[in-house]
Amino acid sequence: DAGVIQSPRHEVTEMGQEVTLRCKPISGHNSLFWYRQTMMRGLELLIYFNNNVPIDDSGMPEDRFSAKMPNASFSTLKIQPSEPRDSAVYFCASSAQGGTEAFFGQGTRLTVV
Amino acid sequence: AQSVTQLGSHVSVSEGALVLLRCNYSSSVPPYLFWYVQYPNQGLQLLLKYTSAATLVKGINGFEAEFKKSETSFHLTKPSAHMSDAAEYFCAVSERGSNDYKLSFGAGTTVTVRA
Repeated sequence: DAGVIQSPRHEVTEMGQEVTLRCKPISGHNSLFWYRQTMMRGLELLIYFNNNVPIDDSGMPEDRFSAKMPNASFSTLKIQPSEPRDSAVYFCASSAQGGTEAFFGQGTRLTVV
Repeated sequence: AQSVTQLGSHVSVSEGALVLLRCNYSSSVPPYLFWYVQYPNQGLQLLLKYTSAATLVKGINGFEAEFKKSETSFHLTKPSAHMSDAAEYFCAVSERGSNDYKLSFGAGTTVTVRA
């Protein structure tokens, strides 16, 4: 298996623009997580899905952030409009069974200027 | 709800010396516990996991961790540090058998290895 695949690896955008991050989980995994990593706040869980259903989105910082999982093999995290403070590395992870180990993608490094 | 606390945000060891990274957890039900490693500009990679079998868990790259329920701890050790062990290490917990599927991560410990 190719592992969790995220795209793009790097994204530079201007403040106010819409940004969409993409994730393909490992085939057969039924839980998917979006994390954000910054120097100041460390690794934060933004939202997670189980069987394509959002279970907990309490970590989503504000309404500018939204996430979808239209099917078992694809998820998006969208920021609209983006702000410089959104600059971070965003990780997607998936797991085969609730509560067991998660496998991480390589991350998307987002820079908002 | 579950959480982990990693003691020490930075650890510096000499090559060949013992590596000890501390993690304490809080969980209302029996936990699953994990250690992950993150190398620069990469994602997190699983080092080892505790899922209620043996309390001493062996992982990759010579690391091991011991689950101590009485101390609510899951400390990570490696007898002899190698330069390639320089990285950031995260402890994580999830609640076994609950409907809460999320992993909760500690703040991370950065390990530097001195030649």
